[in-house]
Order: sequence, then structure tokens, then C-alpha cells
Amino acid sequence: AQSVTQLGSHVSVSEGALVLLRCNYSSSVPPYLFWYVQYPNQGLQLLLKYTTGATLVKGINGFEAEFKKSETSFHLTKPSAHMSDAAEYFCAVSLSAPMRFGAGTRLTVKP
Amino acid sequence: DAMVIQNPRYQVTQFGKPVTLSCSQTLNHNVMYWYQQKSSQAPKLLFHYYDKDFNNEADTPDNFQSRRPNTSFCFLDIRSPGLGDAAMYLCATSRGSAGQGNPYEQYFGPGTRLTVT
Repeated sequence: AQSVTQLGSHVSVSEGALVLLRCNYSSSVPPYLFWYVQYPNQGLQLLLKYTTGATLVKGINGFEAEFKKSETSFHLTKPSAHMSDAAEYFCAVSLSAPMRFGAGTRLTVKP
Repeated sequence: DAMVIQNPRYQVTQFGKPVTLSCSQTLNHNVMYWYQQKSSQAPKLLFHYYDKDFNNEADTPDNFQSRRPNTSFCFLDIRSPGLGDAAMYLCATSRGSAGQGNPYEQYFGPGTRLTVT
């Protein structure tokens, strides 16, 4: 069965600092992997996705993630946090519909 | 722009009074999903349609029903809402078939926040 685990339900960084949100997946074969962001009272917005090919994936708002098969990881990073990055972030995995979501990580950005 | 639309954005209903939430899509996707999301939790899949084929999650309460009269529209019916059903309800779609791009990538609507009084 496919699943994802997000390490850390809350992450707090200072504005301008590196953002690192962790996601590990469990799958017998390389899956499709996604990161979504959710702002208060809104739906989920796709940040980036890994399907096949290049293991370093660039997304919107300066975020990127690297697929590491040997570590079964798909961590989300951003070099410099901005106040507007404060939100809930969900990692998700899919081999076949429906997608399975991690528990989420709430990112707080301190001025 | 192609999109997933949910109406209304905010819905207030009374305890035990049936309520229907609506979702429409202009993406012409085969698959439509309904999720329930409570505060500070991940979205929980209630059910999904692959075309007209209905797929119910094992732990979805019988109080929740769904209809998909055509490709574009999908409805979530809550027959007798309880206080525990207050949540954000998210509709999503995915292409679900081979072709360009990822068939399992989900596109979400803005959600309907349901309050039960």
C-alpha cells in the first residue's frame, strides 16, 4: 500500500531562513509524488510534482523538492522564507487514484 | 480558465436538516472526489467517481451520499448533519486516463465550509 509520512506537524522559521519540510513515502515501486499548499479557508494548491525523469523538481513560489529513491524521500525546500509562505503543506503519493495525503506540516514564518 | 467550482463557499445548516453541497468542473476530467477536512487535519477521502462508477471509502458514514448526474457536476448530500460534520468539504478532480501529463494529479476547488448549529 502507498503512504506518506510528514515529519514534524509544525515548523517555524525566521523570514529569510531556509525552509525544509520533510516527507517520506512508502511504495513498492516509484510513485507519483506531490506537494500541495493550503492557505486558511481555501482549497489545496499544487506546489510541485514528481512523475518521472529529473529528480529535482521546481515548483511555484520558489519551492523545490528532490526525489531520492534510496531514502524514499521527497523533501520540500525553499532557500529563503517569506512571510507569505506561512500555510499548511501536504505531501501526497499516488500510484493509482485516489491520492493519499500526509498529515500535513504547518509552516510559521517569524519576522 | 478551466477550474473546479464549489458552491456555496460557506454553508450553515441546522442539526438534522439535510444539506447539499455542489461541485462543478470545466476540466472535463473523468474522476471527481469529495474530501472532508477538519481543523488542522489532512483531507479525508469520503468517496470518488470514476465516470459513473461510484467508489465509497469503507469508513464513510452512511449519512453521506453523493450524486454525479453528468461529467461536470457532483453533489455531496448530508442526510442528517450532526455537530461532528462541521468541517471544510473539498471537491477535487483528476483526469484519470492515459495521455499527456499525470493522470492522478488532483485539482481542488476552494472548498465549502459547513457549520452545523
